[in-house]
Amino acid sequence: AAGVIQSPRHLIKEKRETATLKCYPIPRHDTVYWYQQGPGQDPQFLISFYEKMQSDKGSIPDRFSAQQFSDYHSELNMSSLELGDSALYFCASSFSIGTPNTEAFFGQGTRLTVV
Amino acid sequence: GENVEQHPSTLSVQEGDSAVIKCTYSDSASNYFPWYKQELGKGPQLIIDIRSNVGEKKDQRIAVTLNKTAKHFSLHITETQPEDSAVYFCAASMDSSYKLIFGSGTRLLVRP
Repeated sequence: AAGVIQSPRHLIKEKRETATLKCYPIPRHDTVYWYQQGPGQDPQFLISFYEKMQSDKGSIPDRFSAQQFSDYHSELNMSSLELGDSALYFCASSFSIGTPNTEAFFGQGTRLTVV
Repeated sequence: GENVEQHPSTLSVQEGDSAVIKCTYSDSASNYFPWYKQELGKGPQLIIDIRSNVGEKKDQRIAVTLNKTAKHFSLHITETQPEDSAVYFCAASMDSSYKLIFGSGTRLLVRP
């Protein structure tokens, strides 16, 4: 079965650079979530989109922005990168049809290293 | 906001024994409780979930129980196998939000 696809899998950037992470949800899924996971930590919710509209917002820095496109894929844009942004970034998707509490499936993540 | 606490942080069991991981949540409005298994270098994998209108759910060797009054839920793994070794996360969500709040994780080690 098709899973959530994230690209790139690994990314190395310098401080103050920008990065764009991409997420392709499971076909027919209408909701996308972004999470940040530091070493040895639990995933922290950043932002979510339902039907291309922002549906919820968590601890996402103002330097980050995201959107969901007409084909339901999503991109997380990160600017003015800081060393502390180094983490695993996960995208998850679900088929919500307007009901938030549905099973969310995670991608394999993008490991971002800021040097 | 919602806060989820998870215990223990590490758990070591002998192969064949049972493992129990417990979580408590703070917001009584939470009504969806999934459990995820995360192996090294991989994304969290949904293994079982439960909703607040159900007290227990079982899927082969895995079961989850929910006590709404006490606001806690537990993951039970029976007949553990070495391949069950991973980090397990509980999470909570509510109808009004499109987000999961995770517990801090339990590192399970199953000794052969």
